[in-house]
Amino acid sequence: EIVLTQSPATLSLSPGERATLSCRASQSVSSYLAWYQQKPGQAPRLLIYDASNRATGIPARFSGSGSGTDFTLTISSLEPEDFAVYYCQQRTNRLFGPGTKVDIK
Amino acid sequence: EVQLVESGGGLVQPGGSLRLSCAASGFIVSSNYMSWVRQAPGKGLEWVSVIYSGGSTYYADSVKGRFTISRDNSKNTLYLQMNSLRDEDTAVYYCARELQGRFGELLYYFDYWGQGTLVTVSS
Repeated sequence: EIVLTQSPATLSLSPGERATLSCRASQSVSSYLAWYQQKPGQAPRLLIYDASNRATGIPARFSGSGSGTDFTLTISSLEPEDFAVYYCQQRTNRLFGPGTKVDIK
Repeated sequence: EVQLVESGGGLVQPGGSLRLSCAASGFIVSSNYMSWVRQAPGKGLEWVSVIYSGGSTYYADSVKGRFTISRDNSKNTLYLQMNSLRDEDTAVYYCARELQGRFGELLYYFDYWGQGTLVTVSS
């Protein structure tokens, strides 16, 4: 079974800074990876699918890259509403990673 | 506007049963791939089950044989029948629509989610 790991577990940054989140798969998932944002008490929101495609309505400050086993979600300049938990998800068994929390420094 | 509204959660004893509902609006459930995803308190996301537009169903190993996903096309509603519930089934349960590609192909990602319903399994 393909396992996803995310790093770091917590990322402490200030508004306006650049956020770089990592997701690593235990074996190649090609480009079949998505990213979600979840705020406390809310459902997850799809940000990126197939590694680099922004979902409908997602701001351009969110971008995804990578293929094979190593993927990155970049938030170019953090807005106050971006502080949340971010999950990656691969297609096989619809498995999610453990998440990265982006909190305010 | 696409909307998903779950209901049916609550407190149930170990070994008990519960049926969750997810009422959809803004799209046709039977023409889409629909899943249940759960989140234990303070934990990450776990996919539970999917029903394809053609009616095929699939389950996570952790719930296989205990949970059943279904839909009522006349009510445009998705269901999850949960039997033989265990403490570890305690979670918020979300229904979610799966993203389709340009040609209607399944992409295995979740583009719309409900607000979730809490299931607590405890004696």
